[in-house]
Amino acid sequence: LAKTTQPISMDSYEGQEVNITCSHNNIATNDYITWYQQFPSQGPRFIIQGYKTKVTNEVASLFIPADRKSSTLSLPRVSLSDTAVYYCLVGDNTNAGKSTFGDGTTLTVKP
Amino acid sequence: GAGVSQSPSNKVTEKGKDVELRCDPISGHTALYWYRQSLGQGLEFLIYFQGNSAPDKSGLPSDRFSAERTGGSVSTLTIQRTQQEDSAVYLCASKLSGAYEQYFGPGTRLTVT
Repeated sequence: LAKTTQPISMDSYEGQEVNITCSHNNIATNDYITWYQQFPSQGPRFIIQGYKTKVTNEVASLFIPADRKSSTLSLPRVSLSDTAVYYCLVGDNTNAGKSTFGDGTTLTVKP
Repeated sequence: GAGVSQSPSNKVTEKGKDVELRCDPISGHTALYWYRQSLGQGLEFLIYFQGNSAPDKSGLPSDRFSAERTGGSVSTLTIQRTQQEDSAVYLCASKLSGAYEQYFGPGTRLTVT
């Protein structure tokens, strides 16, 4: 399983765009990149997933360069309610196996 | 529809006692995971079930930990002779076969005194 590295914490202000980068140098050909969000006292919640280039949904965008050794989660115009821990997960779903969550990035949005 | 449910939501036990934690996955989800999350830490994988295949137990920290999944649905995580270091939130997640998105339950907060 590919090991992931994320910043431990980030601070932002309401209305700003936030970019959280995850490094995964050992990503395998079949691996996808998935991001989860976790609020205190709750289980993680799926945000977005991608394989290459750019993926956008109503919540976020995910940018993946051609070498796929990193990925960037982009949250547009964050609000206080976006304060949470964000996890980058890299894994191959075609082979049944474990998933590995890192320590995540704690995003704090300030007013 | 109903999401993943876990019970109990909180469990306080004395050191040395056995505990059982229950997970009810989303109906139709063939894959089920157990994770452990210590205070302020990330998620630590414990065990993975996929359909009728043998579970991946590679994340279980010791032989005091075991899990089973009956009928391909409900799962029980058992911790024998609990220790204080077992105190954590235990999270269960399920997903459809072939999908990547895991759906998490609210967790069980275990406190060993």
